[in-house]
Amino acid sequence: EVQLMESGGKLVQPGRSLRLSCAASGFIFEDFTMLWVRQAPGKGLEWVSRITRNSGNTGYADSVKGRFTISRDNAKNSLYLQVNSLRHEDTALYYCAREMTADPDAFDLWGHGTMVTVSS
Amino acid sequence: SSELTQDPAVSVALGQTVRITCQGDTLRNYYANWYQQRPGQAPVLVMYGENNRPSGIPDRFSGSSSGDTASLTITGAQAVDEADYYCSSRDSSGIYVFGTGTKVTVL
Repeated sequence: EVQLMESGGKLVQPGRSLRLSCAASGFIFEDFTMLWVRQAPGKGLEWVSRITRNSGNTGYADSVKGRFTISRDNAKNSLYLQVNSLRHEDTALYYCAREMTADPDAFDLWGHGTMVTVSS
Repeated sequence: SSELTQDPAVSVALGQTVRITCQGDTLRNYYANWYQQRPGQAPVLVMYGENNRPSGIPDRFSGSSSGDTASLTITGAQAVDEADYYCSSRDSSGIYVFGTGTKVTVL
């Protein structure tokens, strides 16, 4: 089955760090650019970061630039998001997603998300 | 940074047609893509590019674009179409942005 499964989310204090993971299965992971999208409780979707197939190019939303780092391990079919200096406003459900090969601006496969709660 | 604006909510009678719009300057240069998100579920891509439906998406969904506005139309809305809908696009720097979202209620 083609799927993405996120993990690593939890309750953390402001200023702390966390590493989110996304395990891919059922498709050739190294052929796809991957990304992270988050959704604060009761709010809309926010694009966070993307990484190209060979990790040669990454991009970040202004809201996380300098604090978050995206990476991947194609041998392990895994995507990661290192989140540092966490703020209350980082509280959200974090989804990993896949860019389409037919249209790289569209995201055709999503995981179910992992929840990050930043609170003291 | 780029912004995409959507109406917060629309309603449609069962079997009727509803159009959801997405407005933003970046849409003059890039297509919008559309996602459906039912309560408690992950987003699902329902439209991409000029007017393309992913496999498994019913043909009652269609897309269009003009100037700085993109639209998603549901022709013959069904109860299962009740969800939040988000547009998304990119800007020239490769940053992606989602619209503010539209809650569709099927009456």
